[in-house]
Amino acid sequence: QSVLTQPPSASGTPGQRVTISCSGSSSNIGSNTVNWYQQLPGTAPKLLIYRNNQRPSGVPDRFSGSKSGTSASLAVSGLQSEDEADYYCATWDDNLNNWVFGGGTKLTVL
Amino acid sequence: QVQLQESGPGLVKPSQTLSLTCTVSGGSISSGGYYWNWVRQHPGKGLEWIGYIYYSGSTYYSPSLKSRVTISVDTSKNQFSLKLSSVTAADTAVYYCASQGCTACGFGYWGQGTLVTVSS
Repeated sequence: QSVLTQPPSASGTPGQRVTISCSGSSSNIGSNTVNWYQQLPGTAPKLLIYRNNQRPSGVPDRFSGSKSGTSASLAVSGLQSEDEADYYCATWDDNLNNWVFGGGTKLTVL
Repeated sequence: QVQLQESGPGLVKPSQTLSLTCTVSGGSISSGGYYWNWVRQHPGKGLEWIGYIYYSGSTYYSPSLKSRVTISVDTSKNQFSLKLSSVTAADTAVYYCASQGCTACGFGYWGQGTLVTVSS
């Protein structure tokens, strides 16, 4: 069971906006910034969002992140077929002294 | 552009030590401020952080694996390594190396991953 809670699945049609939630606690999301990773089938994870809402160079601005209290969310606007992937949130946990990840959300483009 | 590549045996016997190496190219492993991490992913499951070695040589391990993990660096070869002792079938996973530019930066560069199976 993951320390951070994500919905196992999400879906949308091309062009739609989809959000993925990530719920934690005061010792992790409540105290630290959140990163998001995209993992396409059969590939390594890729950093999508860091420090809650920052995009690395090359990441389209269709991807955005936010954080409020002990929850964070990833939004994907203008959904495209190539966005079909697993998405993971991650942050440091001050109690566990560990990087912790969400269980992952499988995004399907219908 | 920094690139990372894992290498090592794909099959390890139970109770033995898993050993993997990550070769860094396109940048120096001694670059100031970088953390060099190991992350694993059990088949069909989520991500689990194993530990890191800082560019200065200091290490930090996941408390759940700390008793069995050693991460070291060879600056002459621009490589860092993972050793996980007393492995069991539960250690079967894809192992990734990943770099991190600062404590809150996220794992910005990843290797392609290598599957390690623990079986007799």
